[in-house]
Amino acid sequence: QVQLVQSGAEVKKPGASVKVSCRASGYTFPNYGISWVRQAPGQGLEWMGWISGYSGYTNYAQNLQGRVTMTTDTSTSTAYMELRSLRSDDTALYYCARVLAEAGNSYFDPWGQGTLVTVSS
Amino acid sequence: DIQMTQSPSSLSASVGDRVTITCRASQNINNYLNWYQQKPGKAPKLLIYTASSLQSGVPSRFSGSGSGTDFTLTISSLQPEDFATYYCQQSYSSPPEVTFGQGTRLEIK
Repeated sequence: QVQLVQSGAEVKKPGASVKVSCRASGYTFPNYGISWVRQAPGQGLEWMGWISGYSGYTNYAQNLQGRVTMTTDTSTSTAYMELRSLRSDDTALYYCARVLAEAGNSYFDPWGQGTLVTVSS
Repeated sequence: DIQMTQSPSSLSASVGDRVTITCRASQNINNYLNWYQQKPGKAPKLLIYTASSLQSGVPSRFSGSGSGTDFTLTISSLQPEDFATYYCQQSYSSPPEVTFGQGTRLEIK
């Protein structure tokens, strides 16, 4: 079955960087994009951006431009999300999700299990 | 940016009730609207895509409707496992700029 498995929890100090991985299985990785979504404790969902599984083209949320980089490794069917200059308000559960598309509409299925990133001094 | 506003923010209902959640977009998004269910400690799960298409494996008591700026998610007869938080999500524009609604928490009355 289609599955996304993410790397484990991270604790980082303010100003540091974190890199989260998302390994895909059960489908042809280059045929779909991957989106990243985060959720601060007790809060809603925030879209961070997406990367094409085929070309590596990226589109980032405006509020994260310059701090986030998304990459893929098609040889291992793995997507990565790196966030730099971490702040306390970056503490959140980070999800990857496969991007599906129909007639111009993009939606996410399935999702990874989530990776908790805690930023604390 | 396109803003998505869900109502209500929270809702109490009983097993067997019919429930409707509304999502309003700040501009026309055609039918580029999707719905997710999230249970505590779990990742979101896709329920409805492109406004009214039921994702495979999702019970038929879930349905979606709407186009333009106003959309609804309806649960025809609430089951115990439906108590969760529901999010709408739009993907209008190219390349897609995605935004989520703030969520609707559905609780047991």
